Amino acid sequence: QKEVEQNSGPLSVPEGAIASLNCTYSDRGSQSFFWYRQYSGKSPELIMSIYSNGDKEDGRFTAQLNKASQYVSLLIRDSQPSDSATYLCAVKRIGGSYIPTFGRGTSLIVHP
Amino acid sequence: GAVVSQHPSWVICKSGTSVKIECRSLDFQATTMFWYRQFPKQSLMLMATSNEGSKATYEQGVEKDKFLINHASLTLSTLTVTSAHPEDSSFYICSARDPVTSVSYEQYFGPGTRLTVT
Repeated sequence: QKEVEQNSGPLSVPEGAIASLNCTYSDRGSQSFFWYRQYSGKSPELIMSIYSNGDKEDGRFTAQLNKASQYVSLLIRDSQPSDSATYLCAVKRIGGSYIPTFGRGTSLIVHP
Repeated sequence: GAVVSQHPSWVICKSGTSVKIECRSLDFQATTMFWYRQFPKQSLMLMATSNEGSKATYEQGVEKDKFLINHASLTLSTLTVTSAHPEDSSFYICSARDPVTSVSYEQYFGPGTRLTVT
């Protein structure tokens, strides 16, 4: 079982809709969760981090964490074509090094 | 957020030659930097952890003699691809953590270096 799993997609949504990206992880001891956005040919950019159960909102982005169910999601409201990218979920486990584990990413396409 | 730069942004070299890629933390001191490789449409693959003043820690399967890492200062880590071959063509990305502000382990990525070996 992979440590951090994401549906590779592509997830296609119309402009203005809500895009929902999901990520599951295997280690119950995980403590820090991150969402990165990666445009084609570019390096990842940190867009959200979340550490406690519940929702965390930042502009059009909302991260949701449910440690009991071991999933973290990212909602993008009012999706724009410029949101089209690959979204990487990263999870940091308790203890050990501070290197997070990355999922393979979900490709999001927002069409006009 | 913390700013990380890389140089060059792209490089083309001939098979058998060596290429050096620089990674700099611009507004913070990074005792640890990370080197990733990403092939087209693939996920990030951690190659090694670069530690200032000591030897790098390589991930399993990564040839330490081929990918030389030097972290001589708190703001600079270099990755040298020695005797490059076409299969080394990839997108190389470094990242760093600002130990002062990244209390929750965020990593900040450089813009990446696209290496093409002909």
